[in-house]
Amino acid sequence: GAGVSQTPSNKVTEKGKYVELRCDPISGHTALYWYRQSLGQGPEFLIYFQGTGAADDSGLPNDRFFAVRPEGSVSTLKIQRTERGDSAVYLCASSPRQGSGYTFGSGTRLTVV
Amino acid sequence: GQQLNQSPQSMFIQEGEDVSMNCTSSSIFNTWLWYKQDPGEGPVLLIALYKAGELTSNGRLTAQFGITRKDSFLNISASIPSDVGIYFCAGIGTSYGKLTFGQGTILTVHP
Repeated sequence: GAGVSQTPSNKVTEKGKYVELRCDPISGHTALYWYRQSLGQGPEFLIYFQGTGAADDSGLPNDRFFAVRPEGSVSTLKIQRTERGDSAVYLCASSPRQGSGYTFGSGTRLTVV
Repeated sequence: GQQLNQSPQSMFIQEGEDVSMNCTSSSIFNTWLWYKQDPGEGPVLLIALYKAGELTSNGRLTAQFGITRKDSFLNISASIPSDVGIYFCAGIGTSYGKLTFGQGTILTVHP
């Protein structure tokens, strides 16, 4: 597609539930990134993929968070046993190669109640 | 997580005025980027800087990569109402895929 597409745009879930957030990158972009943005803050790095592999997952806050990109295109961010503190906007970005030409999606607003 | 120190946090200016904001870090970055974010959208790249000392313009925007590689500034000249939004600096260090963002500067332009 023309841009980075993230679905759903909004997700409300109950504490303790499992959620999946999807990112469709720009076609042909080999690098894909996940960031989390809390209210009034800049985005914080979670993980990035070069192709199918996670090149840097140092930003994942704990083992409840996991991300996959099995075919080197679409990526899914998975959060288990959600907590209220997980509420944030989750942003995905892609680029033709790592470190340059980032394009961000509009994000998924996750609310844990 | 680590964030860059961005200032000011917010600015209220009149249309036509010039604006300046900056970012500092205790760490060296190899690339500095400036983004603008509108409500409900992801950040959009304004300017990218790749070399220490580099000064780059994009229309009414000018940004510089500090010579120490630990700071950058963004200037907006002759502001207009559509400049309203949140501006973020971001740096790339040794992990090429990882952006570290500042806390943002909220810009309000009064017509």
